[in-house]
Amino acid sequence: RKEVEQDPGPFNVPEGATVAFNCTYSNSASQSFFWYRQDCRKEPKLLMSVYSSGNEDGRFTAQLNRASQYISLLIRDSKLSDSATYLCVVNGPGGSYIPTFGRGTSLIVHP
Amino acid sequence: DAGITQSPRHKVTETGTPVTLRCHQTENHRYMYWYRQDPGHGLRLIHYSYGVKDTDKGEVSDGYSVSRSKTEDFLLTLESATSSQTSVYFCAISEPERTSGGYTDTQYFGPGTRLTVL
Repeated sequence: RKEVEQDPGPFNVPEGATVAFNCTYSNSASQSFFWYRQDCRKEPKLLMSVYSSGNEDGRFTAQLNRASQYISLLIRDSKLSDSATYLCVVNGPGGSYIPTFGRGTSLIVHP
Repeated sequence: DAGITQSPRHKVTETGTPVTLRCHQTENHRYMYWYRQDPGHGLRLIHYSYGVKDTDKGEVSDGYSVSRSKTEDFLLTLESATSSQTSVYFCAISEPERTSGGYTDTQYFGPGTRLTVL
């Protein structure tokens, strides 16, 4: 079983839609969690960190469920420019700064 | 954007030749990483460094070596390139930070090197 799993998609949604991605992780001692965005043929870029209390940045909301060991990303009012691959990243356990990346979920937003 | 550059950005080489990729940072971050990204596999860690001359293997280290003689530079060497090493290579840096909940460690990536081994 892969340590970090994501549904590869693609998720194909119209502009304005709300879309949610989930990511599960296997190491219960993991300590920090992130969502990255990667555009085609570009480097991954940090979208947002994921905190235990949940956090929001504009149209994006990230949540962490430690009991069930999953992370979610919600995108509201999708834009064409949101089309990209979204990578789930899990660090830890404590003292280990070696991240594990999910394979990514592809999002296509169409007019 | 974090100050990370990679060189070369593109390279075509032949099987059996040595290849060295360079990652340079201006952020003074302690950790540096080399990844490869291939379709169907996502990002896979090759080697990483947690300080000058301190390096360790990742999950796909066979056929690769690294060196870090200065904080700002992390070199990845393919001693004898093979076609299976055709890939996109990304360098990343990070500097762990203590938080009230433990720590956080955000990675910042370079623009990547596209390597083709014929």
